[in-house]
Amino acid sequence: GENVEQHPSTLSVQEGDSAVIKCTYSDSASNYFPWYKQELGKRPQLIIDIRSNVGEKKDQRIAVTLNKTAKHFSLHITETQPEDSAVYFCAAPPLIWGAGTKLIIKP
Amino acid sequence: GAGVSQTPSNKVTEKGKYVELRCDPISGHTALYWYRQSLGQGPEFLIYFQGTGAADDSGLPNDRFFAVRPEGSVSTLKIQRTERGDSAVYLCASSSRDSREQFFGPGTRLTVL
Repeated sequence: GENVEQHPSTLSVQEGDSAVIKCTYSDSASNYFPWYKQELGKRPQLIIDIRSNVGEKKDQRIAVTLNKTAKHFSLHITETQPEDSAVYFCAAPPLIWGAGTKLIIKP
Repeated sequence: GAGVSQTPSNKVTEKGKYVELRCDPISGHTALYWYRQSLGQGPEFLIYFQGTGAADDSGLPNDRFFAVRPEGSVSTLKIQRTERGDSAVYLCASSSRDSREQFFGPGTRLTVL
């Protein structure tokens, strides 16, 4: 069936360094790819999304890249800060969500 | 404006009991989604509504789960004969006709003893 694979499950980076999280999807019909951030005990919140007619989208320190041929999309966070620590989910909504990546920013 | 709200925030029940979980979406949002999330996992899709009708209920795990949205606004997720495995945080989200961004509620933490 349709699924989204997300890697890595945990990512620990030094404050100020970059973090990259990758997702691979199976449904060729998917055309919308959001990334959500979920802090401990809080609800998921959209941080960036991309549609299949573009290859990259950037918003300040956050960017998402999409490779439709390879069916994968990635979240890039530059100049990481302590407040970036959270669990990040990719999705091929509404049905399929990745298992999440726990991002730890080391001071 | 007000975001998505869910009640109750916590629900503790005994195995075999019936529970109802309520979701109030953002006013004017036509789409409403139910998910459940277990610790350390991503949201698991249950059902989504477009207006009053269930556009996709393929995520409901079995016939003990049912959801309604009779007037196209508030939705209720109903779980019959609860089992311990139903324990999770049940999340509701809504989105507008013009955007696919989902806005989530705070969730209802269901514990089945």
